[in-house]
Amino acid sequence: EVQLVESGGGLIQPGGSLRLSCAASGFTFSSYNMNWVRQAPGKGLEWVSYISSSSSPIYYADSVKGRFTISRDNAKNSLYLHMNSLRAEDTAVYYCARSPWGGYDDSWGQGTLVTVPS
Amino acid sequence: EIVMTQSPGTLSVSPGERATLSCRASQSVNSNLAWYQQKPGRAPRLLIYGASTRATGFPVRFSGSGSGTEFTLTISSLQSEDFAVYYCQQYNNWPQTFGQGTKLEIK
Repeated sequence: EVQLVESGGGLIQPGGSLRLSCAASGFTFSSYNMNWVRQAPGKGLEWVSYISSSSSPIYYADSVKGRFTISRDNAKNSLYLHMNSLRAEDTAVYYCARSPWGGYDDSWGQGTLVTVPS
Repeated sequence: EIVMTQSPGTLSVSPGERATLSCRASQSVNSNLAWYQQKPGRAPRLLIYGASTRATGFPVRFSGSGSGTEFTLTISSLQSEDFAVYYCQQYNNWPQTFGQGTKLEIK
């Protein structure tokens, strides 16, 4: 069974940093592209960042470019999102998602909440 | 950036009836269109990809159609478990973008 488990969320002051992790199991992690997608409270889905199975290419949404860094460790079956210079508008549930063809996401984690007070 | 527009924002339908949800792209996305179902407090779940291919675990009452800029998700006979929010997503161009969602509620 495919499992994606996010961790690392919490309450962080504006300007602070946080690292989210996503532990993958039940599939060959190194063969899959991955995405981070976020959802602000009561709002819709927003794609954040993409990393291919080999870690190149990598893409970011304009809203996080220069502040967030996506990475992965295929030996540890883990995906990461390093978030710096956090703002109130970054408050959201962050999901990691498996992307078979670098497009749609066929499996999602349960999400981890990041709260940045205004 | 391609803008995805879903309509209506909220759709009220009675169980057993048919529901039709629309998604429009600001430019052609070919057939690179997915639909997701999200229930309260849960992660989204892939429903349709390639505009019309149903994902594992969803029954045949769910169907997707369209290409280019106009897409439709049809649920032929609504069951209680189908009431949720539905999002479309284009993955033809970076950045991939989502519609704002359609909330399907019980009438």
